[in-house]
Amino acid sequence: DQQVKQNSPSLSVQEGRISILNCDYTNSMFDYFLWYKKYPAEGPTFLISISSIKDKNEDGRFTVFLNKSAKHLSLHIVPSQPGDSAVYFCAASYYGNNRLAFGKGNQVVVIP
Amino acid sequence: GAGVSQSPRYKVAKRGQDVALRCDPISGHVSLFWYQQALGQGPEFLTYFQNEAQLDKSGLPSDRFFAERPEGSVSTLKIQRTQQEDSAVYLCASSLGDRAREQYFGPGTRLTVT
Repeated sequence: DQQVKQNSPSLSVQEGRISILNCDYTNSMFDYFLWYKKYPAEGPTFLISISSIKDKNEDGRFTVFLNKSAKHLSLHIVPSQPGDSAVYFCAASYYGNNRLAFGKGNQVVVIP
Repeated sequence: GAGVSQSPRYKVAKRGQDVALRCDPISGHVSLFWYQQALGQGPEFLTYFQNEAQLDKSGLPSDRFFAERPEGSVSTLKIQRTQQEDSAVYLCASSLGDRAREQYFGPGTRLTVT
């Protein structure tokens, strides 16, 4: 069963606009959430993370929001740049079980 | 600094052959993970090492899959008698320690079984 779900598999956005990626999870034990970015033929690259004790974490153009009651998180990229075109994976883990559970990924295309 | 490296990057095996995939984690990273990524899917957990101890192998799909990390650094994932359904990208990741939650991934090995 898919514990981390990413719907809307692809997203196209104009350069300079905001990209919003959504992620839902089912396991209430998850207490740490991560976003990874992946280019073709490369491994996933860590982008940003958030602990369940927070509801927002910001790093430059990237902000992650966590809504624990809805079991939902989102990644905002603003402004979007052509180099942001990639597949983005949402992942989650819980303390004491270090494996990451991944969603299926969202393809983002930023149009210059 | 040097990231996680994996070799080979691409491997083609005939059905029934044995393969060995290598992972060099980031120097000093205690934890090492193997994941399998099928086309169009997210990575799926296979196994986890803390130093040389294999603490979780619950994700290994069959007893044809075997992983080791004898000296607590380099790790090898071995697949015996490969089957077509083993075709996937095999990703290795490492993290600083038990309490570090971020994992850093290598480029992966793309295995194609013909």
